[in-house]
Amino acid sequence: AQSVTQLDSQVPVFEEAPVELRCNYSSSVSVYLFWYVQYPNQGLQLLLKYLSGSTLVESINGFEAEFNKSQTSFHLRKPSVHISDTAEYFCAVRSNSGNTPLVFGKGTRLSVIA
Amino acid sequence: DSGVTQTPKHLITATGQRVTLRCSPRSGDLSVYWYQQSLDQGLQFLIQYYNGEERAKGNILERFSAQQFPDLHSELNLSSLELGDSALYFCASSVVSGSIEAFFGQGTRLTVV
Repeated sequence: AQSVTQLDSQVPVFEEAPVELRCNYSSSVSVYLFWYVQYPNQGLQLLLKYLSGSTLVESINGFEAEFNKSQTSFHLRKPSVHISDTAEYFCAVRSNSGNTPLVFGKGTRLSVIA
Repeated sequence: DSGVTQTPKHLITATGQRVTLRCSPRSGDLSVYWYQQSLDQGLQFLIQYYNGEERAKGNILERFSAQQFPDLHSELNLSSLELGDSALYFCASSVVSGSIEAFFGQGTRLTVV
């Protein structure tokens, strides 16, 4: 079984400042890792994913995440945030064998302050 | 638009009642997942169906049940509703092979009064 811990439930940050949202996972098997974003009153959208290969993955809107196997982490970073990045961010993991369900962390609410 | 459709968007009902939530997966997706999102529990996996068969079960109460029909749409039935069942219920779909990610619908917000 897998589990995900998002260490911060809320992260306030000023506009144009950098941000890091932390995610640690636990699994006895190899996994795929994901970050989903949920804007207010909307569903979940995939932000980025790590499947294999390069440990640094990027999204189209400036976010990046780095897979660290030794630390079992998949932290999400952005060098300069915008007001529009205000949302809830969920880290998720699933086994890389079979069509298994995603296991989510409890989420981190990112609030960007003007 | 993820291609996953959930109806209704909002539902208000009384304790003790029964409701049905509906999900139409993306075209071609065989697997459907149901999740419950509440403030205290976060996103909890309830149940997964693949091509009409139950594939995996998570933290689903006995009062809840689901099924996937031959046209691949799925329904989540919630009965003997309690105040604590108030939550956002998400459906997601994925293909067995090829696409590894799951695509989520907009959710159904259930309020039990």
